[in-house]
Amino acid sequence: DTAVSQTPKYLVTQMGNDKSIKCEQNLGHDTMYWYKQDSKKFLKIMFSYNNKELIINETVPNRFSPKSPDKAHLNLHINSLELGDSAVYFCASSQVNLAPRDTQYFGPGTRLTVL
Amino acid sequence: AQTVTQSQPEMSVQEAETVTLSCTYDTSESDYYLFWYKQPPSRQMILVIRQEAYKQQNATENRFSVNFQKAAKSFSLKISDSQLGDAAMYFCAYRLYTGTASKLTFGTGTRLQVTL
Repeated sequence: DTAVSQTPKYLVTQMGNDKSIKCEQNLGHDTMYWYKQDSKKFLKIMFSYNNKELIINETVPNRFSPKSPDKAHLNLHINSLELGDSAVYFCASSQVNLAPRDTQYFGPGTRLTVL
Repeated sequence: AQTVTQSQPEMSVQEAETVTLSCTYDTSESDYYLFWYKQPPSRQMILVIRQEAYKQQNATENRFSVNFQKAAKSFSLKISDSQLGDAAMYFCAYRLYTGTASKLTFGTGTRLQVTL
């Protein structure tokens, strides 16, 4: 069974469009994250939600809006896509304060290409 | 701010040999975790090994082991008996222990090639 899943795996779209990436985890974790991996493979945190509450919000343009309908899901909506948004976006999850489940487990990534 | 440095952009090892990947980090905190993640061409991020800073004993997972030097802020990964399937990008990561969720801070990665 897939632990952390993301849809879609690939997303190609035009500049200016709005798109969403979905993430689901079946690990029973209470915390979920979005990371962005740029073309040089550098990974950086974007957001984190704990029990549907936003707890980490790095310096990310407000065109990016995370939404957590429940603790098993964290979706990422991106408005007015720009060329610089092209990257691989990873979802991850963990269970806070319950070692080793506080380790973050990653989804397979979504490669977003903006033309 | 915490930073993680991987000074080896690329490394190469022959099958069955041993290779060590370097990682240093900068922090003023005393409670934290360190990780090595592997990213093969499939792009999946896979946890290789984890180390709690309060533990003096180095973590090991089968052929993977770390050399954790807290005073030197060094956290190297040793891969023994290298296999073709070990070829991947390896990322060192730091996470502060805060009692709540906290972000992973990644290094820039080391690409490992395994040759026959």
